[in-house]
Amino acid sequence: AQSVTQLDSHVSVSEGTPVLLRCNYSSSYSPSLFWYVQHPNKGLQLLLKYTSAATLVKGINGFEAEFKKSETSFHLTKPSAHMSDAAEYFCVVSPMNTGFQKLVFGTGTRLLVSP
Amino acid sequence: NAGVTQTPKFRVLKTGQSMTLLCAQDMNHEYMYWYRQDPGMGLRLIHYSVGEGTTAKGEVPDGYNVSRLKKQNFLLGLESAAPSQTSVYFCASSTPGRGNTEAFFGQGTRLTVV
Repeated sequence: AQSVTQLDSHVSVSEGTPVLLRCNYSSSYSPSLFWYVQHPNKGLQLLLKYTSAATLVKGINGFEAEFKKSETSFHLTKPSAHMSDAAEYFCVVSPMNTGFQKLVFGTGTRLLVSP
Repeated sequence: NAGVTQTPKFRVLKTGQSMTLLCAQDMNHEYMYWYRQDPGMGLRLIHYSVGEGTTAKGEVPDGYNVSRLKKQNFLLGLESAAPSQTSVYFCASSTPGRGNTEAFFGQGTRLTVV
């Protein structure tokens, strides 16, 4: 079985400071891991994904995440927050060896960015 | 490039009424999904389809039915709406893959049942 824990429901940062959104996962199989972003009243957009290639994954808008198997973590980071980064972020796990894309979502982290 | 389009975007229903949510995708994807999003619970899978004419239950299927008569469309039906079905509903689609393909999401349907 797969599960995802997003350790913070809300994260507040100032514009220009680093962002860290934490995610731990549990998976019976080698996982694929994703981060999706949801801006207010919008659908979900893929930020980045890990699929067993490089453990450091770069995504859109300057975000990146590092897969750490020993810590079962996939934390999302950005060196410098921008006001437009304010949104809800979802960590998602999917077992890699299934023919069906079974996505399991975390409960989300709301990122607040102040001027 | 429309991607995944959901209709309607907003709806208010009275308890006991029925309605159908329509999802259309123009990417020729095999897989389609319906999720619901509730505060503090992330997205939960209601039903999914791995191809035209096939559907299967997800994590929270009770009170919903689905149909996939055409590859590009996936319909979600509520036969007798209940206040517990107040939620934001998202449709998604993807290509077949071993768990590593991106799912594309619609913009959501905000449903309120009073």
